Amino acid sequence: DTGVSQDPRHKITKRGQNVTFRCDPISEHNRLYWYRQTLGQGPEFLTYFQNEAQLEKSRLLSDRFSAERPKGSFSTLEIQRTEQGDSAMYLCASKAGEHEQFFGPGTRLTVL
Amino acid sequence: DQQVKQNSPSLSVQEGRISILNCDYTNSMFDYFLWYKKYPAEGPTFLISISSIKDKNEDGRFTVFLNKSAKHLSLHIVPSQPGDSAVYFCAASASHNDMRFGAGTRLTVKP
Repeated sequence: DTGVSQDPRHKITKRGQNVTFRCDPISEHNRLYWYRQTLGQGPEFLTYFQNEAQLEKSRLLSDRFSAERPKGSFSTLEIQRTEQGDSAMYLCASKAGEHEQFFGPGTRLTVL
Repeated sequence: DQQVKQNSPSLSVQEGRISILNCDYTNSMFDYFLWYKKYPAEGPTFLISISSIKDKNEDGRFTVFLNKSAKHLSLHIVPSQPGDSAVYFCAASASHNDMRFGAGTRLTVKP
């Protein structure tokens, strides 16, 4: 399967813990996006990479959030000192050039 | 700020009839518009798109209409099928950068 994959699919953590999610994009896609989706809302843009360069970050991305794409392939999204308000579905998407974005299945985070 | 709005959280139609999902936007810099479909426990799946230089794009049972002066787009599904039941998201981007999504409309197609 050559679609976008995300790991883990589900994560339950206690408030204050750090969590890290991984996204593997479609191999020839140079752009990679992270979104957050809460219940009843559409995906909200967090950040995106073109190859290994992080080109834009939303103001939603607080200092506790950091994303990397070290070799221009997979990406990680880390949340430090998690809060209950961080509970959401974290979606990754990739695309090539000017075409549509392809989404992964998401990582559902629950912060207790 | 909600730059893309879907004001109908849900829509129910009979199988075989037309489904019309609506979307409004506020940012005049948006030049590319997309519709995604989402099933539970899956990521959004691309459905159809339209560039701001067009006012209509058709793909099988799906047609997207764009009215730039009204900053409005709509998705028509004809004929609707039970398998079309899902949440539909409207999205918009400027210069093919990051997308802004609406809150979604849950479509239910009744057999």
